[in-house]
Amino acid sequence: DAKTTQPTSMDCAEGRAANLPCNHSTISGNEYVYWYRQIHSQGPQYIIHGLKNNETNEMASLIITEDRKSSTLILPHATLRDTAVYYCIVRVGSTGNQFYFGTGTSLTVIP
Amino acid sequence: NAGVTQTPKFQVLKTGQSMTLQCAQDMNHEYMSWYRQDPGMGLRLIHYSVGAGITDQGEVPNGYNVSRSTTEDFPLRLLSAAPSQTSVYFCASRAGGRGGELFFGEGSRLTVL
Repeated sequence: DAKTTQPTSMDCAEGRAANLPCNHSTISGNEYVYWYRQIHSQGPQYIIHGLKNNETNEMASLIITEDRKSSTLILPHATLRDTAVYYCIVRVGSTGNQFYFGTGTSLTVIP
Repeated sequence: NAGVTQTPKFQVLKTGQSMTLQCAQDMNHEYMSWYRQDPGMGLRLIHYSVGAGITDQGEVPNGYNVSRSTTEDFPLRLLSAAPSQTSVYFCASRAGGRGGELFFGEGSRLTVL
């Protein structure tokens, strides 16, 4: 069973907002949604996470729907350095200690 | 702080050889885990540990062994390497509790001939 579903790829114009969607229809009430990104073959980089409420930090905003079955990561002003694979992850397992990554969305920021 | 350190960064093995990928963290994190990433794919969870002396299987545990004798170290052992284990391996750690983020090492690229 897929824990999360994301589009395979997306393009975004430099300077515009990038909105990356994620479906997690089987998420449980106490499971967090995390977003990471991976540039080339480097180790994944943490972006943001949330449980129920929308979250914002210096990198991005996370919008979680009221039923928690989907979320959107927003990069407000995309730059060329934001070109990466973005992973939406939910924590599963009885102890909440299993992070499943899925295949992610390849975001290309176009000049 | 060094964060999560993985060694070696690159390794070439012959089929049937054994080796250990090392992972160490200096953040006193309770949780540690190993992932593998094949070309064009996402990360898949191999094994994880929620504390010293406690380990559990992830999605793709076959062919790999782990142990957690200290909080700092979480080695991944390949007892008899196979070409299907050619991959990039990432170690990650996080603090306890339900809201913490994962910190990743820079990866170990393994080729099995």
